[in-house]
This record gives sequence, structure tokens and C-alpha cells, in this order.
Amino acid sequence: RKEVEQDPGPFNVPEGATVAFNCTYSNSASQSFFWYRQDCRKEPKLLMSVYSSGNEDGRFTAQLNRASQYISLLIRDSKLSDSATYLCAAFSGAGSYQLTFGKGTKLSVIP
Amino acid sequence: NAGVTQTPKFQVLKTGQSMTLQCAQDMNHEYMSWYRQDPGMGLRLIHYSVGAGITDQGEVPNGYNVSRSTTEDFPLRLLSAAPSQTSVYFCASSSRLPAQETQYFGPGTRLLVL
Repeated sequence: RKEVEQDPGPFNVPEGATVAFNCTYSNSASQSFFWYRQDCRKEPKLLMSVYSSGNEDGRFTAQLNRASQYISLLIRDSKLSDSATYLCAAFSGAGSYQLTFGKGTKLSVIP
Repeated sequence: NAGVTQTPKFQVLKTGQSMTLQCAQDMNHEYMSWYRQDPGMGLRLIHYSVGAGITDQGEVPNGYNVSRSTTEDFPLRLLSAAPSQTSVYFCASSSRLPAQETQYFGPGTRLLVL
């Protein structure tokens, strides 16, 4: 079982829609969590970190639920430019300093 | 700053050949790592380094070697290429552990092993 799992999609949504991605992690020792965005044939880029209290950056909201071991990303008022693959990632310290990624969820925003 | 650079961008190898994928960063980052990305598999960690002279294995280290003799460079060596190593390889770096700082990725190397 992969340590970080997410729905691969694809998610096809109309412009202006709200879309939510969920991601679960199996390592309870995971310390930090992130959402990355990857455009087609490009490198991943950090979208936002995920904090325990939840955090927002414009139209993007990230949340963490440690008890259930999942993180989520909410995108409001989707734009065509939001079309990309969204990757969640979990960092485990404690001697094994690895950032583990989910397989990614592909989002297509349709006019 | 050039950020994280990777060479070559594309490479075709025959089974059994060896090669080195180069990765360099000019941001004085301590933490560097190599990932491979395959369709349907996401990004998988191959090796990582928390500083010069220190390396460790990730999720899929078999068939790959690394060394970190300087802070700037983190080459990935394929000793005897196999078709299963056909993939896109990304190098990444961060100033401290990825838990604390943004990790920056290079543009990737696309490798085809015939």
C-alpha cells in the first residue's frame, strides 16, 4: 500500500465550480504536509503547505485532519488556468527524511 | 540564480549502458533528492541527501547510485540501464529539510532505455 494515496481523477469541472481533492496518508509519524501543482510535462511546484489549523491562499484552502490522517485541498471559483495535476505530499522525519508524494489528481477546468 | 538545473534534458540509452544524470543548484541548499515519475505511479523517491557527504536511500533505490561531494551537485548514476528505468527523473533541493522549506524541482530528464 502506498504511503500517500489520492484519487487519480480526472476531475472535469466547469469554470467557476468548486472542487475538492482529498489525500490520505498511512504513516502516523508524518510531520508536514503539502500540495504541489504540476503542469503537463513540467516540474512540480509548491502550491501550499498544509497547517494543522487549516490555511487559505486566495481561492485555495488546505486542511489537515490528523485523527483521520487525511489532507484536503479546496479550489473555489475554478479558472481555466487551474487545469493541472495536483499532488499531495507528506514529510516524515524521525531519521528518515523523506517527502512522499501521492500519485496526483488531474484537474481539467472546462469553459 | 539559475535554481535547480538538470542535464541532459533527454537521453536514449541501450540496455546495459551506464550514464550519469547531473543535478546542480546554486542556492546553497543542504537537502537534495532524486525522484522518478512514471505514468500512474506518481513521484517516487530514489535517493536523497541532507548535506555534503551524506546520502540515504528512498523508496526505489535499486539500480541507482548517488554521491554528494559538494553542496551544489548531486549526480545520479545508472550503472547498467534497464528498460524498467525508462522514466522522467526530477532532482529537487531545499535549504533545509522539506518539512521546513519549499522544495524546488529541476526541469527533469526524460530517459528512454531500449
